[in-house]
Amino acid sequence: DAGVIQSPRHEVTEMGQEVTLRCKPISGHNSLFWYRQTMMRGLELLIYFNNNVPIDDSGMPEDRFSAKMPNASFSTLKIQPSEPRDSAVYFCASSQNRGATEAFFGQGTRLTVV
Amino acid sequence: KQEVTQIPAALSVPEGENLVLNCSFTDSAIYNLQWFRQDPGKGLTSLLLIQSSQREQTSGRLNASLDKSSGRSTLYIAASQPGDSATYLCAVRSNDYKLSFGAGTTVTVRA
Repeated sequence: DAGVIQSPRHEVTEMGQEVTLRCKPISGHNSLFWYRQTMMRGLELLIYFNNNVPIDDSGMPEDRFSAKMPNASFSTLKIQPSEPRDSAVYFCASSQNRGATEAFFGQGTRLTVV
Repeated sequence: KQEVTQIPAALSVPEGENLVLNCSFTDSAIYNLQWFRQDPGKGLTSLLLIQSSQREQTSGRLNASLDKSSGRSTLYIAASQPGDSATYLCAVRSNDYKLSFGAGTTVTVRA
């Protein structure tokens, strides 16, 4: 398997624009996580899905952020409108079930909002 | 809310020395604990997974222990090499299925 695949790897956008980050989890994994990493706050869990259903989105910073998982092989994280403070590395991770298995991470999307 | 702490924040050792990285967590109701490695500008690579029922897990020069009741885990890296230089992250999977991370320990192994 190719692992967790995220796109794009880098995104530079202007403040106010919509940004969409994409994630393809490992085939057969039914849990998916979105994280944000910054120097100041480290790794923060934004939202996680189980069997395509959002289980906990309490980490989503504000209404400008939304996430979807239309099927088992694809998820998106959208920021609309984007702000400079959203600049960070966004990671997607997947695991085989909710609790007891290893989580695998994608290479991340480095987002810069100018 | 699960809080994960890693000590020290940074560590510099000469090549060949053993490394000891510490992780503590506040809520002992966990499924497992996972250690990751992160190189600068890269993603997270899983090193070891310890289930809540296990006391330790080994992979090559790496050994991780878990004391769930006291909320502690330790990662040992034997005979360190310059290639071991990276940031090491501890993550705890709580019973609510969230994976919570510590801030990491940045390791530098000097040749």
